[in-house]
Amino acid sequence: EPEVTQTPSHQVTQMGQEVILRCVPISNHLYFYWYRQILGQKVEFLVSFYNNEISEKSEIFDDQFSVERPDGSNFTLKIRSTKLEDSAMYFCASSGGRTSYEQYFGPGTRLTVT
Amino acid sequence: GDSVTQMEGPVTLSEEAFLTINCTYTATGYPSLFWYVQYPGEGLQLLLKATKADDKGSNKGFEATYRKETTSFHLEKGSVQVSDSAVYFCALTSNTGFQKLVFGTGTRLLVSP
Repeated sequence: EPEVTQTPSHQVTQMGQEVILRCVPISNHLYFYWYRQILGQKVEFLVSFYNNEISEKSEIFDDQFSVERPDGSNFTLKIRSTKLEDSAMYFCASSGGRTSYEQYFGPGTRLTVT
Repeated sequence: GDSVTQMEGPVTLSEEAFLTINCTYTATGYPSLFWYVQYPGEGLQLLLKATKADDKGSNKGFEATYRKETTSFHLEKGSVQVSDSAVYFCALTSNTGFQKLVFGTGTRLLVSP
């Protein structure tokens, strides 16, 4: 069964450093998303991406964040200068189409900023 | 904006007990509704969905009915198992934009033998 994969599973970084979280969505999907879950809190939407551009982003997704689909398979989230409050589990998701509501999630990357 | 409210956890049950996890929502228009489950150490898995009023989603013995009049989507299971122990998230997507999911806070279910 196709699945969304994410690497690394755990990333530890120092405050101020740049991190790139990687995702491989399901191959025929068209819509891609990043969400985050701070420990013990709800899952929050960050950004959605379609046709090589951002289609929607939340207030959390400020200038420190960027997304890219550098090739036909990967979808990345970059945080330019990490802050302590960026520590969270980051989930990538993909869906087949605008009227196909099911989003399939990856296992997540736990980001720890020290 | 759109929002989802879930009952506080944890919910602690014995095996074979009946489960209800309440979920209500606020949204404009006619959202689609979902239950996701997160097992320990894993990502989010879609458990069931309903896309219009009075639809019933079901999977693995779990059910939820889309009630527009009460803006609710309560999750039920007739007989829980230890393996159902997980965190359950109610979520919605609006029918505008690109279908971002709006999640509730999650409800932890603990089932003991």
